[in-house]
Amino acid sequence: LAKTTQPISMDSYEGQEVNITCSHNNIATNDYITWYQQFPSQGPRFIIQGYKTKVTNEVASLFIPADRKSSTLSLPRVSLSDTAVYYCLVGDKIPSGTYKYIFGTGTRLKVLA
Amino acid sequence: GAGVSQSPSNKVTEKGKDVELRCDPISGHTALYWYRQSLGQGLEFLIYFQGNSAPDKSGLPSDRFSAERTGGSVSTLTIQRTQQEDSAVYLCASSYPRADIQYFGAGTRLSVL
Repeated sequence: LAKTTQPISMDSYEGQEVNITCSHNNIATNDYITWYQQFPSQGPRFIIQGYKTKVTNEVASLFIPADRKSSTLSLPRVSLSDTAVYYCLVGDKIPSGTYKYIFGTGTRLKVLA
Repeated sequence: GAGVSQSPSNKVTEKGKDVELRCDPISGHTALYWYRQSLGQGLEFLIYFQGNSAPDKSGLPSDRFSAERTGGSVSTLTIQRTQQEDSAVYLCASSYPRADIQYFGAGTRLSVL
């Protein structure tokens, strides 16, 4: 079964680039890797999704190596409002042939002025 | 358009009572997911539906938990004979095909006294 790990917490200053890595082994070969942001008392909010190599959107980039055993979320020029918990989400194909979804352990990002 | 809607937003119940949690997915989304987030903890996958069918129920924590989906739309998560350890936020998400981006509701906060 897939296991995912992330750093527990990170601090950064406003305007800096932040990279958060999620390690995930045994993920489903045909599923995406997705990252979410969560604020207190809210549901997770979609940031970015990718399958392999690099994906970029208006808020983040996602780097996925060829072996797909990890992924790195890159947030350019963070601001105070980026203070939140960040999770990766991967699919895991289980012996019955169906899927489960495994969230990473979460990284609490604190952006300092 | 409307996002994923969950009701109630908060539920306080006594130990031993049954509770029903409701999820209204985004219109047209074929897949629906349930997760649980205990206080200060990460997100635990419970079950997913493709249409009205749940291919695997092994993620449900015990046989006191059940879930159903009707008409390819609304889903209900039922917890029978609630215990204090069931206290958590229950999150619902929906997506187009499985493996597409999951969009989350705000969750139902369940407190078992």
